[in-house]
Amino acid sequence: KAGVTQTPRYLIKTRGQQVTLSCSPISGHRSVSWYQQTPGQGLQFLFEYFSETQRNKGNFPGRFSGRQFSNSRSEMNVSTLELGDSALYLCASSSGLAGRDIQYFGAGTRLSVL
Amino acid sequence: DAKTTQPNSMESNEEEPVHLPCNHSTISGTDYIHWYRQLPSQGPEYVIHGLTSNVNNRMASLAIAEDRKSSTLILHRATLRDAAVYYCIRTQGAQKLVFGQGTRLTINP
Repeated sequence: KAGVTQTPRYLIKTRGQQVTLSCSPISGHRSVSWYQQTPGQGLQFLFEYFSETQRNKGNFPGRFSGRQFSNSRSEMNVSTLELGDSALYLCASSSGLAGRDIQYFGAGTRLSVL
Repeated sequence: DAKTTQPNSMESNEEEPVHLPCNHSTISGTDYIHWYRQLPSQGPEYVIHGLTSNVNNRMASLAIAEDRKSSTLILHRATLRDAAVYYCIRTQGAQKLVFGQGTRLTINP
């Protein structure tokens, strides 16, 4: 089985722009969660989607949004980028809900905001 | 959020057992304990999880205290490849995983 795939791996944007990150979960997995990792704050939960519905949301401003498609693929969008949005964005998938089942992480998308 | 407390760093020698502690004093009856680890330049990787009794798998063992307020991840024979940041995570029911700062494990050859 293929693992969790995140694209692109690296991205450079400037302040004020918007960005869309993509995550393809393991085949058959219905839950996709997104995390932001920075040296200062560590790994922080952004949101979880299960069967196209957002189930949980972390403490991030509304500039961070996501969606999940019927094939379980997920996208995360960040609008009006700020310097502080520079981070590694990780996606994880699980067959059931995130808190109950093993989560499998992708390698991440490293976003640099200049 | 469901917080856990771990030491910032630990060091061990290759081929020796490693015991990584975690405190979760406010845990409730339905909370699971999960352990993930993150190797350099990779996403986190599942290690083990449990609810009440001790658990074993091919990677590690998880020992959960009788009152469930603490747990210990045991790597029976550490290798250099086990050098990573280890996260102890408590989940409330089916809720999200909340990662703390983790324990950075260094393995000496």
